[in-house]
Amino acid sequence: DTGVSQDPRHKITKRGQNVTFRCDPISEHNRLYWYRQTLGQGPEFLTYFQNEAQLEKSRLLSDRFSAERPKGSFSTLEIQRTEQGDSAMYLCASSSGRFREETQYFGPGTRLLVL
Amino acid sequence: AQSVTQLGSHVSVSEGALVLLRCNYSSSVPPYLFWYVQYPNQGLQLLLKYTSAATLVKGINGFEAEFKKSETSFHLTKPSAHMRDAAEYFCAVIPSYLSSGSARQLTFGSGTQLTVLP
Repeated sequence: DTGVSQDPRHKITKRGQNVTFRCDPISEHNRLYWYRQTLGQGPEFLTYFQNEAQLEKSRLLSDRFSAERPKGSFSTLEIQRTEQGDSAMYLCASSSGRFREETQYFGPGTRLLVL
Repeated sequence: AQSVTQLGSHVSVSEGALVLLRCNYSSSVPPYLFWYVQYPNQGLQLLLKYTSAATLVKGINGFEAEFKKSETSFHLTKPSAHMRDAAEYFCAVIPSYLSSGSARQLTFGSGTQLTVLP
């Protein structure tokens, strides 16, 4: 168990550029979540995968955002035409098990700054 | 919709003093409740969770929390603060009645920054 990893840890981009983040969950975890955390706030849910299927998306996930989880392993989150309001920490979490026993394990996050 | 309120965005305690971080939830049905800790530039680490078993939950690093349905609270405590406890703490909830295919996303409070003074 090597934990949830995310890449890159930091990303600085100019407004209008596209960015892509990667999340590698704990192996064997079939559930994967993306959250966004802005300064001084708690994380907010963006989207959820069960295996390779994207089952739920938050209203926060505009059309410029897309997420994939091919083969139910790693996941990518892409933001097209970035805006300054996209600046935030993007967190990935993975989990498995029955509901009451489930614990979401978080990665270290990718901090995005849009100039 | 579920929500969580953390009273006090900043709490300062002296080393060795009691730590009390407050969390109240809003839900017609008692949810599952969690406390996470976040150190600078790191992800979140689970401290403890309540899933309708024992109301007093013991977690890692000497923390514990008590679920009080009558007060809709799940406050986090530690008898004696240590310098390494300085971090941001988040209370979070998940509905306790989700169907098997539903996303089990956490709804977080806005966090409490704990400062431990020497």
